[in-house]
Amino acid sequence: ENMLTQSPGTLSLFPGQRATLSCRARQSVSSKYLAWYQKKPGQPPRLLMHDASNRATGVPDRFSGSGSGTLFTLTISGLEPEDIAVYYCQQFDKSPFAFGQGTKLEI
Amino acid sequence: QVQLVQSGAEVKKPGASVRVSCKAYGYTFNDYYIHWVRQVPGQGLEWMGRITPNSADTDYAQSFLDRVTMTRDTSIATAYMELSGLRSDDTAVYYCARLLIGCSTSSCYHDFWGQGTPVTVSS
Repeated sequence: ENMLTQSPGTLSLFPGQRATLSCRARQSVSSKYLAWYQKKPGQPPRLLMHDASNRATGVPDRFSGSGSGTLFTLTISGLEPEDIAVYYCQQFDKSPFAFGQGTKLEI
Repeated sequence: QVQLVQSGAEVKKPGASVRVSCKAYGYTFNDYYIHWVRQVPGQGLEWMGRITPNSADTDYAQSFLDRVTMTRDTSIATAYMELSGLRSDDTAVYYCARLLIGCSTSSCYHDFWGQGTPVTVSS
């Protein structure tokens, strides 16, 4: 299993600041198989990024993704109150298509 | 438009089974895998497995291998996830999500999700 480890577990920041979330894979993952999701209580996960760095439709450009190999990063610039959520990475390189354990963003 | 519509909330006793459905609208059902993901309260997202609608081939996560069965009815564009031997720690919200078949030639991601089905296991 290609386990994904996200850090930090919780991130507490202020509106307008920049958030940097990390996702580290145990084995190398092709960028086209790395996605990021935003999860709010009572809602299904929302796709934010695919191919590690491509924003999904309707995602504000304050969200950006980068990385390759075993380390990927989600950056949220200019935090807004509505960005309060848990963020998950997921790999599709090899089954099981595991998620990271999530990073909780507090604003 | 594309939608995945899941069945309603369930309350089950320990040891029972639950079956959750996921009906697809607005796209060709056979063009996308249906994956199942759950979230236990206070925990993260957990991938359970997937089914290929055309062939009914399945791929289950190790932790659910002996308790989960994923099926589909292509005539009504609906996928099902049945979990047996329910325990209190199976109390969770269960989601279905689609994944493009053959995405390995482009990119892979879940672009549409069902609304979630809460399952409560309690005596």
